[in-house]
Amino acid sequence: GAGVSQSPSNKVTEKGKDVELRCDPISGHTALYWYRQSLGQGLEFLIYFQGNSAPDKSGLPSDRFSAERTGGSVSTLTIQRTQQEDSAVYLCASSSPALADTQYFGPGTRLTVL
Amino acid sequence: GQNIDQPTEMTATEGAIVQINCTYQTSGFNGLFWYQQHAGEAPTFLSYNVLDGLEEKGRFSSFLSRSKGYSYLLLKELQMKDSASYLCAVRDYGGSQGNLIFGKGTKLSVKP
Repeated sequence: GAGVSQSPSNKVTEKGKDVELRCDPISGHTALYWYRQSLGQGLEFLIYFQGNSAPDKSGLPSDRFSAERTGGSVSTLTIQRTQQEDSAVYLCASSSPALADTQYFGPGTRLTVL
Repeated sequence: GQNIDQPTEMTATEGAIVQINCTYQTSGFNGLFWYQQHAGEAPTFLSYNVLDGLEEKGRFSSFLSRSKGYSYLLLKELQMKDSASYLCAVRDYGGSQGNLIFGKGTKLSVKP
């Protein structure tokens, strides 16, 4: 079956602009996660959605970051007023309790803020 | 605090065996995962340990000791395609779900 998909694969933007990153999880997966990976750094947790529960936003680095998940499926991560330090690869993952909630990752969106 | 430690880089020879260690200190524990990540690609799932002991899957095995906060990934019969970063991650949520805390990864280079 189809894996996690993300779009766009690459995004170049100017400092101060807003960006939206999209994630389509694996069909039937109830949980969805956003991480970011900066050069030479480990994956950093951003936000986690589980079903209809309130999301765990504890990893969001600032109030410029927000995410929503519509209909329990597709998710959008929005970064407002982008800064150069936001440049990173943004990875989305999804999981299902049927598979021990193992997280399966999408290909990521490489964001470059000029 | 939460901390996952693993070596930054390792080098091994094609056909050999390599062991990548991971130690962790987290507020809770509900599973340890190993992922493989080739340069420019997404992490791919390799193994999952939640109980102490060894899990074997083909050329790859993963070991866990919860009392020691320690895991290792063992790669046998190394191939050139095994050159990648290997990420250790702990799920510390109270339930079966929740975000993973990742180490910075071990970059493995396999030489001919």
